Amino acid sequence: KAGVTQTPRYLIKTRGQQVTLSCSPISGHRSVSWYQQTPGQGLQFLFEYFSETQRNKGNFPGRFSGRQFSNSRSEMNVSTLELGDSALYLCASSTGPSHDYGYTFGSGTRLTVV
Amino acid sequence: QQQVKQSPQSLIVQKGGISIINCAYENTAFDYFPWYQQFPGKGPALLIAIRPDVSEKKEGRFTISFNKSAKQFSLHIMDSQPGDSATYFCAAGRNNNDMRFGAGTRLTVKP
Repeated sequence: KAGVTQTPRYLIKTRGQQVTLSCSPISGHRSVSWYQQTPGQGLQFLFEYFSETQRNKGNFPGRFSGRQFSNSRSEMNVSTLELGDSALYLCASSTGPSHDYGYTFGSGTRLTVV
Repeated sequence: QQQVKQSPQSLIVQKGGISIINCAYENTAFDYFPWYQQFPGKGPALLIAIRPDVSEKKEGRFTISFNKSAKQFSLHIMDSQPGDSATYFCAAGRNNNDMRFGAGTRLTVKP
């Protein structure tokens, strides 16, 4: 079956602009998590959605927001972009709270803020 | 924010050697401890995972050792190969969500 699809793969934005990233999870997966990856910082947890509800949120400013649609697809939005927002944004899908553990990651969206 | 501490940051091993990466966690509510492997330009991929009711899990050349009392777990890669050169992340999660990751270890296996 198809993996986790993230679009776009690459994005260049200017400081102050806003951006929306998209994630389509594996079919049947109802949970989507977002992570920011930067060199030296590893994967920093942004938020997690299950059945259109935000279940957990990491320690990021309110400029970072997300949502999940009824088909489990998710979007994350970053407003008023700063240079420090340049990173690889990864989306991971899973079946959700259950005994069937495991996250499957997409290839990410590389965001560059200039 | 960093609930999982990983070391070392980078590791260089000769082909055929043993690679060892260590992680420590804080939250005793974590009940799932996976390791992910990431190649350049790709997202992390699940390598092997363990639950706290066992102390060791082996899959091929990869072994997780888990010490619940010390809140530590480690990844051992036996007979390391150049193709194992990648960045490895440990993680800890609770009830299949809220997964927190270590900072990553860049492994280089020299031929």
